[in-house]
Amino acid sequence: GAGVSQTPSNKVTEKGKYVELRCDPISGHTALYWYRQSLGQGPEFLIYFQGTGAADDSGLPNDRFFAVRPEGSVSTLKIQRTERGDSAVYLCASSVSGSLAGELFFGEGSRLTVL
Amino acid sequence: SQQGEEDPQALSIQEGENATMNCSYKTSINNLQWYRQNSGRGLVHLILIRSNEREKHSGRLRVTLDTSKKSSSLLITASRAADTASYFCATDAAGSNYKLTFGKGTLLTVNP
Repeated sequence: GAGVSQTPSNKVTEKGKYVELRCDPISGHTALYWYRQSLGQGPEFLIYFQGTGAADDSGLPNDRFFAVRPEGSVSTLKIQRTERGDSAVYLCASSVSGSLAGELFFGEGSRLTVL
Repeated sequence: SQQGEEDPQALSIQEGENATMNCSYKTSINNLQWYRQNSGRGLVHLILIRSNEREKHSGRLRVTLDTSKKSSSLLITASRAADTASYFCATDAAGSNYKLTFGKGTLLTVNP
């Protein structure tokens, strides 16, 4: 597709369960970002990939969160042992190159609700 | 942590009026960007201004940057009801050439 695609758009899970959120960036974009947005707040940086490698994962809140991008395109954000506080919209964005932060293209987000 | 702080948190105006939103940040930057977010949607890039620029225009948008005061403003002229959205500034801190840090945003409501 032409834009950044995120699936699922909505995910409801129970506390303690494992969740995977997928991001399909714009073709040819080498940089990929994950952000988390809580209600009434701005996006909070989680992790950034340049190609296949995580260039900066300093925003991941704890070791229950992990993200991969094995082939330098699609990325998966994985959350283990989900907690109610993980409920948020998870946003993925891509850009042509991460060497200088230019325009980010965002997906519509995956809304995660942990009951 | 969030680098930018938008002001005001919420702004309500009438169609046709101008809307001004401000952003303050804490550290030196390479560039500053403004994004728009409609309720329940993803963010859309509006404009990017580099640290060596002072003013930039794009259609009805005008952005200024004052690096000495670590602040930026976004002006939307002749507002329309369709401009109703949240507006965020995002900074690319010097020495961190890839991580955009967003503020909490300004919720703009344009009444018809």
